[in-house]
Amino acid sequence: EPEVTQTPSHQVTQMGQEVILRCVPISNHLYFYWYRQILGQKVEFLVSFYNNEISEKSEIFDDQFSVERPDGSNFTLKIRSTKLEDSAMYFCASSEGAIYNEQFFGPGTRLTVL
Amino acid sequence: DAKTTQPPSMDCAEGRAANLPCNHSTISGNEYVYWYRQIHSQGPQYIIHGLKNNETNEMASLIITEDRKSSTLILPHATLRDTAVYYCIVVRGSNYKLTFGKGTLLTVNP
Repeated sequence: EPEVTQTPSHQVTQMGQEVILRCVPISNHLYFYWYRQILGQKVEFLVSFYNNEISEKSEIFDDQFSVERPDGSNFTLKIRSTKLEDSAMYFCASSEGAIYNEQFFGPGTRLTVL
Repeated sequence: DAKTTQPPSMDCAEGRAANLPCNHSTISGNEYVYWYRQIHSQGPQYIIHGLKNNETNEMASLIITEDRKSSTLILPHATLRDTAVYYCIVVRGSNYKLTFGKGTLLTVNP
């Protein structure tokens, strides 16, 4: 069964450093998403992406964040200058369509900012 | 999107049906009810969704009341692996994002 994959599974970085989280969505999916979950808290929407453009973004997704689909398979989330409060589990998801389609989530990348 | 209310936790005996309620009294006519679950710290997993008719798939059944103000997710024969946080989410068709609440922690006991 096709699945969303994410690398790395765990990333440790120093405050102020740039990190790139990588995702490989399901191959025939057209819509891509990033969510995050701070330990013990709710899963929060960050951004959705379609046709090489951001479709929607949350207040969390400020200028420090960016997304890219650099090739036909990868979908990346970049945090330019990490803060302590960026420590969280980051989940990538993809869906075949946008309307009434289920989103398939990856296993997540745990980001720890020291 | 309409807000949902779920009990914070429920217990269920292994092999019995687990019935998870969700209240969404402010739901609009074009909003669907989705259910996802999250096992430990894994990525959320889609379970089922519906508009107004009852739905069934290999994982679960979804019962939506006639006025659409509440719904129940039914896991017909719960197993220990069904222990997870279950999220009821109301989604507008044109809305890309999923807005997760705190969900219901279902604990399946042996």
